[in-house]
Amino acid sequence: GAVVSQHPSWVICKSGTSVKIECRSLDFQATTMFWYRQFPKQSLMLMATSNEGSKATYEQGVEKDKFLINHASLTLSTLTVTSAHPEDSSFYICSASPVPFPEQFFGPGTRLTVL
Amino acid sequence: AQTVTQSQPEMSVQEAETVTLSCTYDTSESNYYLFWYKQPPSRQMILVIRQEAYKQQNATENRFSVNFQKAAKSFSLKISDSQLGDTAMYFCAFMKQVNSGAGSYQLTFGKGTKLSVIP
Repeated sequence: GAVVSQHPSWVICKSGTSVKIECRSLDFQATTMFWYRQFPKQSLMLMATSNEGSKATYEQGVEKDKFLINHASLTLSTLTVTSAHPEDSSFYICSASPVPFPEQFFGPGTRLTVL
Repeated sequence: AQTVTQSQPEMSVQEAETVTLSCTYDTSESNYYLFWYKQPPSRQMILVIRQEAYKQQNATENRFSVNFQKAAKSFSLKISDSQLGDTAMYFCAFMKQVNSGAGSYQLTFGKGTKLSVIP
């Protein structure tokens, strides 16, 4: 149980385009989902927290207009990187929490490369 | 704000030996949770072990155990009988509740320790 999927696992896009990454909890309902960014050989940095049906809460320094997060249902959250640039290239990881439970289950991550 | 410090960027251990990874944290919270996660080359985050701060007993999970010292704010991970599959990045993480009612729990990660198990 407690499986989280992400799609796509790897995406390459051109500079200036937008990319959407999906995060799904497959066997539980997640009122809260989290989006992290991980640079090579570094730790996970929390970008934002999303609660189903409400606006996401972004961490300081994360551009809300660049990283659009939607948590439309209890099993799906999406991260859209708008007008992507090479510096947005990174590994993006989502996690999900069942309600209310002090644990996060992680997706396998998405590698984004912006050319 | 919480901080999590892992002072060992890299460690190595011989197969079948025991290794201890250190972690300290700083918080003013009284209720929180501590975790060790493993991230192998696949980059999938895998939960290794979890400790509730209100529990005095150290958590154990097969070959993995922790030494939780609440007063010292220390949370080390011991891996016994190390196996080649234990080679990975290990992250210590602190979790606290950030929103009452909604039950949102937020994780703060340390910088990680790269563990290599040598055959």
